[in-house]
This record gives sequence, C-alpha cells and structure tokens, in this order.
Amino acid sequence: GAGVSQSPSNKVTEKGKDVELRCDPISGHTALYWYRQSLGQGLEFLIYFQGNSAPDKSGLPSDRFSAERTGGSVSTLTIQRTQQEDSAVYLCASSLTGLAGSSTDTQYFGPGTRLTVL
Amino acid sequence: GQNIDQPTEMTATEGAIVQINCTYQTSGFNGLFWYQQHAGEAPTFLSYNVLDGLEEKGRFSSFLSRSKGYSYLLLKELQMKDSASYLCAVRGRPGGDNQGGKLIFGQGTELSVKP
Repeated sequence: GAGVSQSPSNKVTEKGKDVELRCDPISGHTALYWYRQSLGQGLEFLIYFQGNSAPDKSGLPSDRFSAERTGGSVSTLTIQRTQQEDSAVYLCASSLTGLAGSSTDTQYFGPGTRLTVL
Repeated sequence: GQNIDQPTEMTATEGAIVQINCTYQTSGFNGLFWYQQHAGEAPTFLSYNVLDGLEEKGRFSSFLSRSKGYSYLLLKELQMKDSASYLCAVRGRPGGDNQGGKLIFGQGTELSVKP
C-alpha cells in the first residue's frame, strides 16, 4: 500500500495476557519506529529499526516489551504479561533512511493500534 | 533533559488566523517537525524547519528560531476541518544515543475551530 499500515486497529485484552501488534511500513523505507501515545501525553519513542537491527531500544519501558523486524519490512511489537498502564495507542512510523544526519528524512505514521488492558 | 512545550488547547474562529507556539530544550538539534492529528487517525506531516526563518506551504507556515529554542505554526483562513491536534517534535543531533533520528514530541495542541 501507499502508507504505513498497522493491525489490529483495536485490541482489548485481559491483564496478564500477551499481545502482538503489527506494522507494515512504506515500501522501500529502511527505518521503522514504534511510539506510544497515552491519554493526555505526547508521543513517546519506544524503539528504532534500521533494516532488521534495532540500534536504539532506549524507549522500551520494561523487559516485557520486545520488537522484531523481518525482511527489512514488517515489524511486530510484543507486550508480555500486559498491565493496565500499557493501555495506549501504539503508533508505527517509517522513513526512507533513518539517518539523523539526513535533514530531510521525514517519518510517516500509521493509524495506530489502540490497546486496552482490562 | 529534553523538554518540548506547547499550549494544551486553543480555540479560533473560521476564516481567522491562529499561531501555535512551541518551545524546546533538547540535547542537540537537527530539525523541528509539525504534524496534524485528527482524533483516531495517524499524525500527518505538515512542515519541517532546520534553519532559522519561515517556511510557507499554502495556508500553513512554520517558523524557527534556533537561538531562542522556539517555533510556531501559523494557520491562515481557518476551516472547520483544521480542528485537530497539532504536534511539535524535535529531532536531536545524530550520534550517541540518537542513531536513528528519533523524534521527541510535545503533548500536542488541541485546536478547535468555531463557526
């Protein structure tokens, strides 16, 4: 497709369950980012992929959070043993190069997955 | 530390002009972005500034002063469809803990356009 897509659009789960969120970036974009948007908060960076490797995982809030990217394309964010504070909208973005030194590199966002942990 | 400040809410009238301010304090600077986000939708890219001055794009303009750590987004000839959240985001200088150009976001400004 033309843009970043994410699935599912909504996910309701029970506390303690594991969830997987999927992101399909724009074709040809080497960089992929995950952000989280909690109610009343700004977007919070989670993790950055360059190809299939993740040189920046500094935003992952705990070891319950992990992510992978395969084939330089699709990425999956996994949250184990979900907690109520994990409830948020999880947004994925992709950009052409991901090089911070490339001043014109713009991140394009998907519609997000709204996660609700009961 | 890193901090991005913008007003939480603003209200303006259809046809008018509104200016949304953003101030930032970050460890290094390599560009400032403005995004528009309608409720329940993806943030969409509006503008990018890396040098001081004004960038104009149709009804939208964005200004940057690096020495003051300040930017604003100017929306002219407001339309009802401009009611949305406007997000200011800063990209830090590459290297160190910023290998991939991650963005640091403000909390967003919720703009309501009234008839």
